[in-house]
Parts: sequence; structure tokens; C-alpha cells
Amino acid sequence: QEQLQQWGGGLLKPSETLSLTCAVYGGSFSGFHWSWIRQSPGKGLEWIGEIDDRGSIKYNPSLKSRLTMSLDTSKNQFFLKMRSVTAADTAVYYCAKLSAGLFYYMDVWGKGTTVTVSS
Amino acid sequence: SSELTQDPAVSVALGQTVRITCQGDSLRSYYATWYQQRPGQAPLLVIYGQSNRPSGIPGRFSASSSGDTASLTITGAQAEDEADYYCNSRDNNGNPVFGGGTRLTVL
Repeated sequence: QEQLQQWGGGLLKPSETLSLTCAVYGGSFSGFHWSWIRQSPGKGLEWIGEIDDRGSIKYNPSLKSRLTMSLDTSKNQFFLKMRSVTAADTAVYYCAKLSAGLFYYMDVWGKGTTVTVSS
Repeated sequence: SSELTQDPAVSVALGQTVRITCQGDSLRSYYATWYQQRPGQAPLLVIYGQSNRPSGIPGRFSASSSGDTASLTITGAQAEDEADYYCNSRDNNGNPVFGGGTRLTVL
């Protein structure tokens, strides 16, 4: 069964760079888009960005200036970097597989990784 | 507008039917996708497209849409359905946008 395993994040100081990795196991990397979503404490879901298997990227405009997404198809992994973090970036970060064909949905999610930004 | 609006909270008696709604202009163009999130867990896809359920999602979950409003219906709600439900669609730029979520309480 397809699984996403994610790691990285943890406790960061303001202005540091957040780095997350998501690895795809048991499924195809090709033909899909790969997303990052976050959830601030007690809040709803916020889309961060997505990258497809060819490396085409879309970012949330409100975060775009601080983001870099990339992938390594040889390892079935994709990555998120967010620069200059602040307390407002404290959240659980999820990676997800996105099907963007006739219908648009995220059907496989990582378990989430907690990122806390504090001095 | 690219926003999706959901009622913050809804309750339903055990075994009864509940409808959770999501309103937004983008729903006139795109189907809503629905996710269930239990406390401490990642979101789980429950409905996509017109009313498609992934494998493992019970048949009591269904969806419908009219104009700018999409609805998730749970027919015969069970205790395990108590969770937060998020709708998801796309904005004018084709970027994903989520509703604020609805907390469902099963009484």
C-alpha cells in the first residue's frame, strides 16, 4: 500500500530555514503531483505548494517568496524549504499525493511533522 | 472570491442524517473534494468528484452540489464519524483552497 513518510522540521528559531522531506513508498512517483499542506494549531488546512513529477511547481502566492520545492525522482522523494521562518509558521506540515486529472484530490497523506518556531 | 465558507460546527444524533455545506464561487466551476480529520490524525479523503468514494470509505458518505454550494451528506451517522470535515476546491488561478472546516459532533 502506498505510503508517504516525512521527516524534518522540529524546533526552529526565527529567521532560520525549515527543511522537510517526503518519501513515497509502494507507489508510482510518475504521473502525479506532490503537495505540501500545513495546519496551524487549532486552525484549518493551508495549501503551501505542489510539484509534479517533471518538476513543474506551483506555490501559494502568500508564501512564494520564501519557498523552494524540489524533487529527486531517483529516490522517490520531494522536498520543501521555507526561509526566514517566524512564529506564524508554527504548524503541522503534511505532504500529500495529488491526483490532478479529471478530478482533483489528495488521496495519500503523510502523518505530518510538527514545526515549532520559537526563540 | 476564492474563499470557501463552512459552518464551524454541526451536530447530529447517532444514526441520523447530517449535511455539511461548503459555499464559494469556485464551486460553480469545480467539484468540491471532502476530507475528514480526526484529532491528531492527518486528513483522510472521503469524497472526490461528483460523489466518488475512495476504497474503504463507507457508503453512508455522499456528496452533491448546486450552484455555489457543495454538500457532504452522512446518512446514518456513526460515532466514528465525529471529526472535522474540510472542503477543498480551486481558486481562480487553479490553486487549491480549503474551507475553514466543520466540526461534526455525533450525539
